[in-house]
Amino acid sequence: DAGITQSPRHKVTETGTPVTLRCHQTENHRYMYWYRQDPGHGLRLIHYSYGVKDTDKGEVSDGYSVSRSKTEDFLLTLESATSSQTSVYFCAISESASGGLAQYFGPGTRLLVL
Amino acid sequence: KQEVTQIPAALSVPEGENLVLNCSFTDSAIYNLQWFRQDPGKGLTSLLLIQSSQREQTSGRLNASLDKSSGRSTLYIAASQPGDSATYLCAVLYNQGGKLIFGQGTELSVKP
Repeated sequence: DAGITQSPRHKVTETGTPVTLRCHQTENHRYMYWYRQDPGHGLRLIHYSYGVKDTDKGEVSDGYSVSRSKTEDFLLTLESATSSQTSVYFCAISESASGGLAQYFGPGTRLLVL
Repeated sequence: KQEVTQIPAALSVPEGENLVLNCSFTDSAIYNLQWFRQDPGKGLTSLLLIQSSQREQTSGRLNASLDKSSGRSTLYIAASQPGDSATYLCAVLYNQGGKLIFGQGTELSVKP
């Protein structure tokens, strides 16, 4: 299995509070991604990174920001959590963004916003 | 709009049966297609990756095929086992940004 960890694995927070989720990889892969998974919507891309300090938005980026100061860490921040951000969040990594190599996923973080 | 569809949404089969899961995509200009398995409450496990230039990939009892011209991929599972019970997701990579577009998944149940 690809060396991807996510922390925390579970979190309960209140509406309006900031929340930061961490993804850590030991594979030295260049590309990292944050997805959310919701019933009826499947998996959707929030943000992705193609290198240190290089990030871009996905299809559901509103209310989220990211940072990548080191190759191994990709942080996802909910600036002011809302109930609509209750979801399961997955981090993924890939060595290449083109057709060559697969994406590998972390174990996920379950977030409940009350 | 680039969309990925998986049919059926759920499938129940007796142990030992061979089965086919279907995935269709609206835009044939793909880079690759990836099949994943997801167990309840768990992350996604990559099963097979098919490049746009390939027609099929095999791993053990799994075989995935790709027909770009018709916008279809199938995942064939031979001699199914109860341990194969999970949700199977198909995802397509459309551009070099690395953004996978996922289908909704097929929930497979293999009965002993």
